[in-house]
Amino acid sequence: GAGVSQSPSNKVTEKGKDVELRCDPISGHTALYWYRQSLGQGLEFLIYFQGNSAPDKSGLPSDRFSAERTGGSVSTLTIQRTQQEDSAVYLCASSLDRLAGNYEQYFGPGTRLTVT
Amino acid sequence: GQNIDQPTEMTATEGAIVQINCTYQTSGFNGLFWYQQHAGEAPTFLSYNVLDGLEEKGRFSSFLSRSKGYSYLLLKELQMKDSASYLCAVRDASGGSYIPTFGRGTSLIVHP
Repeated sequence: GAGVSQSPSNKVTEKGKDVELRCDPISGHTALYWYRQSLGQGLEFLIYFQGNSAPDKSGLPSDRFSAERTGGSVSTLTIQRTQQEDSAVYLCASSLDRLAGNYEQYFGPGTRLTVT
Repeated sequence: GQNIDQPTEMTATEGAIVQINCTYQTSGFNGLFWYQQHAGEAPTFLSYNVLDGLEEKGRFSSFLSRSKGYSYLLLKELQMKDSASYLCAVRDASGGSYIPTFGRGTSLIVHP
């Protein structure tokens, strides 16, 4: 079946512009996660959705970052007034249920964001 | 929160065995995952441990000791395609979060 998809795959934007990143999780997966990964760094947790609600936004680095999920499916991550330090690969993952035992996260291919 | 440590880089020879260690500190341990990530690609799931002991899956095995806050990933009969970054992730149930936290990853280079 189809895996997690993300768009765009690459985004180059000028400092100060807003960007929207999209994630289509695997059908039926109720849990959705956004991470970002900078060069040589681990995955940094940003936000988690269970259905359409976001019980954990603790990883969002600033109020310029926001995310929403509609219909328990597609999610968008919005970064307003982008800064150069926002440059990273933004990864989306989904899973059947965050509380399930050996559930695994399925990752999308990521969006490489470059802020010039 | 968690503190997850892995070696930054390891090298090994094709056909050999390599062990990648991961140590962690967490107040509400609820499972440990290993993922493989090839350069420019998304991480893919390798293994999950929640009880002490060894889980074997083909050429890959993962071990967990909860009392020591320690896990390792063992790769046997190394192949060139095993060159990748290996990420250790720990799920913490304290605070009701259950969000896996990832280490920085270990870059494994397999030489012919």
